[in-house]
Amino acid sequence: DSGVTQTPKHLITATGQRVTLRCSPRSGDLSVYWYQQSLDQGLQFLIQYYNGEERAKGNILERFSAQQFPDLHSELNLSSLELGDSALYFCASSGSTDTQYFGPGTRLTVL
Amino acid sequence: AQKVTQAQTEISVVEKEDVTLDCVYETRDTTYYLFWYKQPPSGELVFLIRRNSFDEQNEISGRYSWNFQKSTSSFNFTITASQVVDSAVYFCASNNGGTSYGKLTFGQGTILTVHP
Repeated sequence: DSGVTQTPKHLITATGQRVTLRCSPRSGDLSVYWYQQSLDQGLQFLIQYYNGEERAKGNILERFSAQQFPDLHSELNLSSLELGDSALYFCASSGSTDTQYFGPGTRLTVL
Repeated sequence: AQKVTQAQTEISVVEKEDVTLDCVYETRDTTYYLFWYKQPPSGELVFLIRRNSFDEQNEISGRYSWNFQKSTSSFNFTITASQVVDSAVYFCASNNGGTSYGKLTFGQGTILTVHP
């Protein structure tokens, strides 16, 4: 158990819908990262937050947004969903050592 | 930009065999970090090791060992006396420790199957 929690574990929705994925980092970790894992793209970095501020951005679509709240939990919002957004979404957190510990992931299926 | 290449897509071995997973990285940074993660069939990503660019010492942890060679830009992972529970996808990754230090660049992964 990495100490990073993600909810929900599974999410099934329809095209055009909007969903929110939630992540709680390990106790004391200020950085939160989001990654997408799909068969064709592999593991891709989406975005990083550090203590509430956006720190780095990867290939995150404009339809996707994220934020980190004062209690350090983070949410990833995915809107206008397309079939191709079906993937495993991971959250990770890190502290002073910069090692990223990953949560169990949220499997999103868009029908 | 960083790039990580895991040339072996799939490896199949019989229990108790030794197996080496290759990882080659590309970076222009002088400071960087290399990682290995394991993704078992249950799906989570499990951290195995972190190595910084200034530390070329090899590391051994039980049946696992890692060989970091800057001269060949490689960070290979060996499992000695493999077991069925080692069956998983293994990812090599890097980040550059710079302003976007958080971003991990992953290889495509190597699927390891250990048969009884």
